[in-house]
Amino acid sequence: DQQVKQNSPSLSVQEGRISILNCDYTNSMFDYFLWYKKYPAEGPTFLISISSIKDKNEDGRFTVFLNKSAKHLSLHIVPSQPGDSAVYFCAAGSPPGNTPLVFGKGTRLSVIA
Amino acid sequence: DADVTQTPRNRITKTGKRIMLECSQTKGHDRMYWYRQDPGLGLRLIYYSFDVKDINKGEISDGYSVSRQAQAKFSLSLESAIPNQTALYFCATSGGFTDTQYFGPGTRLTVL
Repeated sequence: DQQVKQNSPSLSVQEGRISILNCDYTNSMFDYFLWYKKYPAEGPTFLISISSIKDKNEDGRFTVFLNKSAKHLSLHIVPSQPGDSAVYFCAAGSPPGNTPLVFGKGTRLSVIA
Repeated sequence: DADVTQTPRNRITKTGKRIMLECSQTKGHDRMYWYRQDPGLGLRLIYYSFDVKDINKGEISDGYSVSRQAQAKFSLSLESAIPNQTALYFCATSGGFTDTQYFGPGTRLTVL
């Protein structure tokens, strides 16, 4: 049973517009969440994270929102750029050292010029 | 130099052969992981190690084994490779309070 779900396998957005990637989780023990970005033929790279004590974290063009009551988080990219085209993985973690991160299956974002 | 390195980067082998994939890290992390990526299936955890004396099975450990030779080295072996083990394999390390994982560049393995 998937504990972390990314229900959209793919998303296309025009350059300059907002990209919104969504992630749902089922385990209420998760207390921090991360987004990773992956280009073809490269390993995933850490993008941004959020602790369960916050509902928003911002880093430049990237903002992650967390809605604990809905067990939902989203990644907003504004403005979207062609270089943002990649696969984005959502991941969730329990208190450090207990269990590894749990990853979603990823969403492929295509930013069209 | 990269913090997490994997060797080889590409490997083609035949069914039944034993294969070892190696991972080294210079981040000083205690925790290391092996994942495989298949199209549409995301990242699936094969094995993980929280320190040198700790080895744990992940979601899909059958057909694989690992060895944690040192804090910085974690190798993955396919005892008798089969075609459905054709995939991208990633090593990762983590440490610190947030346990953020840092990935290597991957090994593309093809089993004929």
